[in-house]
Amino acid sequence: QKEVEQDPGPLSVPEGAIVSLNCTYSNSAFQYFMWYRQYSRKGPELLMYTYSSGNKEDGRFTAQVDKSSKYISLFIRDSQPSDSATYLCAMSETNAGNMLTFGGGTRLMVKP
Amino acid sequence: GAVVSQHPSRVICKSGTSVKIECRSLDFQATTMFWYRQFPKQSLMLMATSNEGSKATYEQGVEKDKFLINHASLTLSTLTVTSAHPEDSSFYICSAPRLAEETQYFGPGTRLLVL
Repeated sequence: QKEVEQDPGPLSVPEGAIVSLNCTYSNSAFQYFMWYRQYSRKGPELLMYTYSSGNKEDGRFTAQVDKSSKYISLFIRDSQPSDSATYLCAMSETNAGNMLTFGGGTRLMVKP
Repeated sequence: GAVVSQHPSRVICKSGTSVKIECRSLDFQATTMFWYRQFPKQSLMLMATSNEGSKATYEQGVEKDKFLINHASLTLSTLTVTSAHPEDSSFYICSAPRLAEETQYFGPGTRLLVL
């Protein structure tokens, strides 16, 4: 079993839809949780960063962490075609500056 | 703007040659940088941790004699793929932690194709 599981997709939604992306993990020591967006042939771009459990909102993006369930989510409201990319969750035990454990990534396609 | 750069962005070489990839943190210092490899439609796989002033730490299964890492300064780490072979063809990405923000920034990646 992988440490971090993520549905690979592809997930196809119409423009304007609410998108829900999720990861589950097995290591209860993870405390820092990140979501990265990666466009094809580009490096990952940090979208959201949360510490421990709770919610964090930034524009159209909301990140949720439920440590009791070892489950994290990223919600995208009013999805746009430009949101089409691969979304990677990443986690760390100590801080975001240390080694990250990545999920496999979910490919999202937002159709106009 | 970009805070971590990589050079070159793309390289094509013949089998047996060595290729050097540079990773620079542009406006901050990084005592640690990370090197990843990513195959098509797969996630990032950590190869090694580059440490300024000391030896790199390699992940299990990564040949340290093949993937030479040098953290020359607080803003530069290099990965040299020695005697590259077609199976080394991949997307290589570096990252650097920006501790003041408790975040990790990734470079744009280097696509290596070994013929």
